[in-house]
Amino acid sequence: SQTIHQWPATLVQPVGSPLSLECTVEGTSNPNLYWYRQAAGRGLQLLFYSVGIGQISSEVPQNLSASRPQDRQFILSSKKLLLSDSGFYLCAWGRWEGAHGYTFGSGTRLTVV
Amino acid sequence: GENVEQHPSTLSVQEGDSAVIKCTYSDSASNYFPWYKQELGKRPQLIIDIRSNVGEKKDQRIAVTLNKTAKHFSLHITETQPEDSAVYFCAATPISSGSARQLTFGSGTQLTVLP
Repeated sequence: SQTIHQWPATLVQPVGSPLSLECTVEGTSNPNLYWYRQAAGRGLQLLFYSVGIGQISSEVPQNLSASRPQDRQFILSSKKLLLSDSGFYLCAWGRWEGAHGYTFGSGTRLTVV
Repeated sequence: GENVEQHPSTLSVQEGDSAVIKCTYSDSASNYFPWYKQELGKRPQLIIDIRSNVGEKKDQRIAVTLNKTAKHFSLHITETQPEDSAVYFCAATPISSGSARQLTFGSGTQLTVLP
């Protein structure tokens, strides 16, 4: 069976510090991978998605970046965090054969102070 | 691209009553419509989905209906229980996106079931 791992679960970082969030998927190959953010409120904002190694598409211009160094690894980074980067970050993988949609990771609660 | 609108943004019902959440979509090429439930502080989890070749699907107390002509779909929860309290998201995806397929989400509905 497929599983998705995301860490850390919570993170408190000062303004201007770097960020690295990691997501890995097991039990599948060549998954579509996604990073979402939930700020205050409920909306799911798509940040990045990737259809393969080294292939990153950005949906929202910001001071975040994403990388996919391996088939089942997706990393969200920032060189200098802003207060507005606080939020709940969710990684997801998608399986479209049979239309199964997304499976989300457990999320990272980031607080920038 | 696809645009999904979801109503209402908040919904309170008495335990045992039914709850209905409605969504509309813009892209007639969309063919897959999942619903996610997100409890406080947790990840969204798929609770039911429907494909465009089906008009209705049921799973115990939850059901989803789809009207392709009007481009809207709805989530129905019957005999609501306090544990149904959560934020619910609808989503849609068009077949035209190919390998870069992604879900477009509605803005969410906070459902509160009052005991």
